[in-house]
Parts: sequence; structure tokens; C-alpha cells
Amino acid sequence: ETGVTQTPRHLVMGMTNKKSLKCEQHLGHNAMYWYKQSAKKPLELMFVYNFKEQTENNSVPSRFSPECPNSSHLFLHLHTLQPEDSALYLCASSQPLEGGMDTEAFFGQGTRLTVV
Amino acid sequence: AQSVTQLDSHVSVSEGTPVLLRCNYSSSYSPSLFWYVQHPNKGLQLLLKYTSAATLVKGINGFEAEFKKSETSFHLTKPSAHMSDAAEYFCVVSDPYSSASKIIFGSGTRLSIRP
Repeated sequence: ETGVTQTPRHLVMGMTNKKSLKCEQHLGHNAMYWYKQSAKKPLELMFVYNFKEQTENNSVPSRFSPECPNSSHLFLHLHTLQPEDSALYLCASSQPLEGGMDTEAFFGQGTRLTVV
Repeated sequence: AQSVTQLDSHVSVSEGTPVLLRCNYSSSYSPSLFWYVQHPNKGLQLLLKYTSAATLVKGINGFEAEFKKSETSFHLTKPSAHMSDAAEYFCVVSDPYSSASKIIFGSGTRLSIRP
């Protein structure tokens, strides 16, 4: 148990569906991240939120829409996805420190998404 | 700009022999460096981290890594491999002079252990 919880653990959705992934952390961190992990590809940073503000959008298609209502919760809203979006989606959190450094990132178990 | 390169996509060793997973980084200043491990169908777990204190860092499960600034390397080692070490390993860099809270992952090294 890392203190970062993702739900659901598995999700199968059609290309016309709308669904959301949820991430919750109880570590008191102020930075949260979404990563995409596809088979045989490096881990891809998607979005970064610092103190609820989005500070990084790594050229992610608009069919992925993040939301960070507070420092403890992060959502990834999905709509009209493609089969190639099937992957493991990982959420992480860290704590920005003075001087620009960060604590290490704590990861959730991930949501295994399959788009059919 | 910061980056991290894991030089081997796959390493295979026999049980009981040493493990070496290589990582080189590029950073504008003195970065924080991490190694994470991911077992099949599991999330990422922190093995160890370097944050400008001792250059030889000891982590969990007998792993350690040495920060060598002159070589811009942060290789992960273990004296004796165990079957349970089979997993994917990621080298990670966090640069305080890059975008705030930006953590960059290497492409990963898959470690296999032969009986």
C-alpha cells in the first residue's frame, strides 16, 4: 500500500463510451501525475498538477481530459477513445520541496484500460 | 533539458550472480535520481533514491546504486540475484531546474533470473 489508490483497477470500454479514472492520495502531497504505460513502450508522462493547477500537458489528445478538484484527488475523463489507447494508466503523487526539488513519486497500482 | 537513458532493455543473469543495470542521465544541474521496480501486474515501487547526500545509496532488497557525476551515471547493482528480483526496473531523474515537479522515466530494463 503506497498511499495512492486508483479505481477502477480494470476497465473495458467501447470507443463511443465516456468513463473516468480516479486517483486518490492520502499522503498530503501537492503534485499529482498521470502516466500511460503501453506494452513495449516507455512510460509516458501525460499530465502534471501542482497545487491543483495543471503545469504539464505532454501533447495529450483532447479525448483525455484531466481534472484536479483538490490536492488529494485526480481524475482522467475519457471519451471517444481508440483501441491504441489501451494501456495501463498510472497515477502518482509527490511533494514539491523548497529549491524546486521533489520527494520521490508514489504510484498507485494503475488502471488497466482496454478499448474495444 | 533533462533525460535518462537505460542502456539495456533486457538483462538476464543466473540466480546468485551479481546484477548490474545501467543508467545514464542528462541534467542541467544536480538532479535527484531514483530507481523504481515494477513486478508483473503491479504498480511501481521505489527501490532507492539519491538527493545529493552520500553518492552510494542503499535501497531495499539488497540493491544499491552509485551516483557518479563525472560519468553522469547512476547504475543499479546487487551482489547476488534472487528469483524474486525478476521485474522491470526504471531509472528516474527529477531536475530542480526543469519544470516544477517534472519526473522523467527511462525506458526500463527487464531483469530475468535464470535458475
